[in-house]
Amino acid sequence: SYVLTQPPSVSVAPGKTARITCGGDNIGTKSTHWYQQKPGQAPVLVIYYDGDRPSGIPARFSGSSSGNTATLTISRVEAGDEADYYCQVWDRSSNHAVFGGGTQLTVL
Amino acid sequence: QVQLVQSGAEAKMPGASVRLSCKASGYTFTTYGIHWVRQAPGQRLEWMGWINTGSGATKYSQIFQGRVTITRDTSASTAYMDLSSLRSEDTAVYYCARDSPMFDPWGQGALVTVSS
Repeated sequence: SYVLTQPPSVSVAPGKTARITCGGDNIGTKSTHWYQQKPGQAPVLVIYYDGDRPSGIPARFSGSSSGNTATLTISRVEAGDEADYYCQVWDRSSNHAVFGGGTQLTVL
Repeated sequence: QVQLVQSGAEAKMPGASVRLSCKASGYTFTTYGIHWVRQAPGQRLEWMGWINTGSGATKYSQIFQGRVTITRDTSASTAYMDLSSLRSEDTAVYYCARDSPMFDPWGQGALVTVSS
């Protein structure tokens, strides 16, 4: 089955740039979506189709994907960005949705 | 606005079954599918299955094959997820999410606790 690999944690100082990676075999050929989940809350879509942003999501959030890595980039990080972030793709070979293990973003 | 509202928390004994509901509002229910995803304490999101709310066709994760059934009632704009033969490892928060085709939006989640 298809596997997505994320770093367990990323730390960044306020105002700096955070990059969260999501590794998967030829993930650049799939559409990657990213979700933000704060403690005790349901996930929220922050990036879809690799790099598109839903309405209401700040332009500080961006995404890209190529080769075996998709990346979520958060510019000018704020304390309110502290959350778990999950990548997700649809694996056509198994007809399953697949989620990465999640990355805990800590704002120092 | 588009909203998914889930039923409340459930406490079940091992071996029992649970039915969760997910009521949609703010859009035409049969235009978008519904996914079910669960999250055990401190664990990753885990996809369980999906229903085409128009046709009723379903897809299930092999992990839950045979134990999960997803249905819908179009007149009530509601999707249901039944999970049988519950065990302690099924203790988790269960979410529904609209297939947009990304997962958006999500319901608020429902905690299912399995314990004797």
